[in-house]
Amino acid sequence: NAGVTQTPKFQVLKTGQSMTLQCAQDMNHEYMSWYRQDPGMGLRLIHYSVGAGITDQGEVPNGYNVSRSTTEDFPLRLLSAAPSQTSVYFCASSPGTGIEQYFGPGTRLTVT
Amino acid sequence: RKEVEQDPGPFNVPEGATVAFNCTYSNSASQSFFWYRQDCRKEPKLLMSVYSSGNEDGRFTAQLNRASQYISLLIRDSKLSDSATYLCVGMNTGFQKLVFGTGTRLLVSP
Repeated sequence: NAGVTQTPKFQVLKTGQSMTLQCAQDMNHEYMSWYRQDPGMGLRLIHYSVGAGITDQGEVPNGYNVSRSTTEDFPLRLLSAAPSQTSVYFCASSPGTGIEQYFGPGTRLTVT
Repeated sequence: RKEVEQDPGPFNVPEGATVAFNCTYSNSASQSFFWYRQDCRKEPKLLMSVYSSGNEDGRFTAQLNRASQYISLLIRDSKLSDSATYLCVGMNTGFQKLVFGTGTRLLVSP
């Protein structure tokens, strides 16, 4: 099992560019989430999904879109990158609520 | 006020020491709590869940005090490999409403 994989590991964008952060898991988990981690802020939930075809907003959804067409994949799209979106992004999956979340290795994004 | 608050540290302790971290939470609706460990520039990994009756896993003991709304983590016989940031996490009602503290950094020295 690869667990949760994320690509790319690092990315530099210019303001206004769009891009998609990829996330995949091979554990057949129903629940997947995207977080961002900033110094002094802790991890904050961006979007989450309880299963294929179902997504919902978390704490900081503005500027991001998600889709969940398969159980395995949960991509995060930045519509028009802004310097405030410079952060480390983690994708996580879980077999159920209240159960351990498994995190991917993260994507370090810098927006200039 | 943040929903989950932790002392950022760092806590500097020698090998073999016992160290304790506390974490306070403000939302009384929080149902479940966890401690995650995060190494530098790595992803968080679950260290242990926190049960109302308290629970122990080897050198690690976690406790929950609902009346005072705090969670604690005790590490006995600290190892160099325990050096990391420890994240306190609460879960509210509803799916995946995990709320992370900003973390407490632990440095264990020889």
